[in-house]
Amino acid sequence: KQEVTQIPAALSVPEGENLVLNCSFTDSAIYNLQWFRQDPGKGLTSLLLIQSSQREQTSGRLNASLDKSSGRSTLYIAASQPGDSATYLCAHYILTGGGNKLTFGTGTQLKVEL
Amino acid sequence: SAVISQKPSRDICQRGTSLTIQCQVDSQVTMMFWYRQQPGQSLTLIATANQGSEATYESGFVIDKFPISRPNLTFSTLTVSNMSPEDSSIYLCSVYGAGYTFGSGTRLTVV
Repeated sequence: KQEVTQIPAALSVPEGENLVLNCSFTDSAIYNLQWFRQDPGKGLTSLLLIQSSQREQTSGRLNASLDKSSGRSTLYIAASQPGDSATYLCAHYILTGGGNKLTFGTGTQLKVEL
Repeated sequence: SAVISQKPSRDICQRGTSLTIQCQVDSQVTMMFWYRQQPGQSLTLIATANQGSEATYESGFVIDKFPISRPNLTFSTLTVSNMSPEDSSIYLCSVYGAGYTFGSGTRLTVV
């Protein structure tokens, strides 16, 4: 069974800090990896998609890296803001006979304080 | 990427009743996915819905409890049947394009 673990489970930081969220997975034969943000009681917003041939992706203050050999991905958030407060989920794709299937991590709940 | 409109956004239902959740996509997609997120948990795939064929259910989920319709390439519904408090969750639909896109979720509370 594929497992995806995210550390830390919860994080509270003051505004302006740079921070790193970690995601580890047991299967190095992943296809792609995607980072999402989820606000309480809401759906998921896609942040970054890293395809299997890529090592990182950047969007604004966000940078995500992927190291398949070590089974790790990190999401770096620069100059954090209170609006960044949310739960962050990583999910990897495994190719199956019917296409690809997402396996979600356990999530990191982030709170950025004024 | 695709835009998904999901409704209702939330509902409070009596036990023993059923609720149908709708997802409308702004483009044609082959597969649509339905997920459940129980309180404090991550997302679990319920089933994959293909147009013109029966949905494929994951282990632990059955058609009688979660019937799915997929009448065309832009629309799908998930029904949560004979609800109990244990069905209280967020239900989400998703499609795959340039990465996965999710609907805004349906927050269901069963009382």
